[in-house]
Amino acid sequence: DTEVTQTPKHLVMGMTNKKSLKCEQHMGHRAMYWYKQKAKKPPELMFVYSYEKLSINESVPSRFSPECPNSSLLNLHLHALQPEDSALYLCASSTWPNQPQHFGDGTRLSIL
Amino acid sequence: LAKTTQPISMDSYEGQEVNITCSHNNIATNDYITWYQQFPSQGPRFIIQGYKTKVTNEVASLFIPADRKSSTLSLPRVSLSDTAVYYCLVAEGGGSTLGRLYFGRGTQLTVWP
Repeated sequence: DTEVTQTPKHLVMGMTNKKSLKCEQHMGHRAMYWYKQKAKKPPELMFVYSYEKLSINESVPSRFSPECPNSSLLNLHLHALQPEDSALYLCASSTWPNQPQHFGDGTRLSIL
Repeated sequence: LAKTTQPISMDSYEGQEVNITCSHNNIATNDYITWYQQFPSQGPRFIIQGYKTKVTNEVASLFIPADRKSSTLSLPRVSLSDTAVYYCLVAEGGGSTLGRLYFGRGTQLTVWP
């Protein structure tokens, strides 16, 4: 079990659908992250939130839209995704960006 | 941006000590070095973090030479359950400066009986 909870664990969606990935932590961490991981590749940083504000966007396409409603929750809104967006999406949190990160076990996303 | 270089794969046998070296020639003064372990279909798990010299916890040791251009993760007496991908990560920025975090390519460690 991890201290970072991601839902759903699996998601299959069509290219015209709108869906959201959710991430929750109750460790009081003030930095939260989204990563994308393709098979046999390292996680790639997408977004960093610090104190509920977006601080880093790694040139991610606008079809991915992050949201941090409060210090415990992080969402990733998906719209009009492409087949190449199929991947494992990982959420993580830490006390501060250069501190050890706690990862969830991810959402396995498949785009049809 | 401090990039890292690790061996793609390593093999070992149960009970042996494993040392995985990571090169980070462009590491900055405020950067920390962190290692993570990842099993298939799971998120990475923090192993150890250090700034210089040697750090030890109940799982591993991290050796960092004085020039900090490399680091070595040491796993004592590995078991089959240590088979995983190990990532070396250098945190850019420190203190109150927001930094970017990048994973290296990772080392697939396979432990044989």
